Amino acid sequence: ETGVTQTPRHLVMGMTNKKSLKCEQHLGHNAMYWYKQSAKKPLELMFVYNFKEQTENNSVPSRFSPECPNSSHLFLHLHTLQPEDSALYLCASSQDNSGANVLTFGAGSRLTVL
Amino acid sequence: GQNIVQPTEMTATEGAIVQINCTYQTSGFNGLFWYQQHAGEAPTFLSYNVLDGLEEKGRFSSFLSRSKGYSYLLLKELQMKDSASYLCAVMDSNYQLIWGAGTKLIIKP
Repeated sequence: ETGVTQTPRHLVMGMTNKKSLKCEQHLGHNAMYWYKQSAKKPLELMFVYNFKEQTENNSVPSRFSPECPNSSHLFLHLHTLQPEDSALYLCASSQDNSGANVLTFGAGSRLTVL
Repeated sequence: GQNIVQPTEMTATEGAIVQINCTYQTSGFNGLFWYQQHAGEAPTFLSYNVLDGLEEKGRFSSFLSRSKGYSYLLLKELQMKDSASYLCAVMDSNYQLIWGAGTKLIIKP
């Protein structure tokens, strides 16, 4: 148990579907992150929330929509995705978004877009 | 541009020693991290270096040379469970993490 829980662990969806990924942490952290991990590529930072406020949006297409209702929960809403969006989506948390904080990751949601 | 380079894959023998290198070019430097990621699992924190030198933590050690833009992770007395990907990441002057693509380490009996 890493302290960061992601659901679902696996998701297969068509390009016209709408689905959501969920991330939950009870570590008392105030910053939460979404990363995309593709094979043999560096982790790509997608979104950052610090104290529930979005502080980073790294030019992510609008078909990905984040939501952070409180410091413990983070969602990634997906709609009209493309096959190239198939990847492992990792959620992470840290004490806050300032300084060199250690990230605690979830095990990821493996997404396949058909 | 900012860049982290690490070998894609390495193979080592159980009980041996392996060194995984990481070279970086970033806008400023606020520390370097190593994470371990077993297949299908979450990346987990291994080490953080911000000053030059060697940090030892059990069988794992991490070295940093800021002047050379270079780090390595040294794994001793390799065990089968050390088979994993090892991710190098540098925090730049804006406290943004720049990630390498990871090194897949295969341990053979």
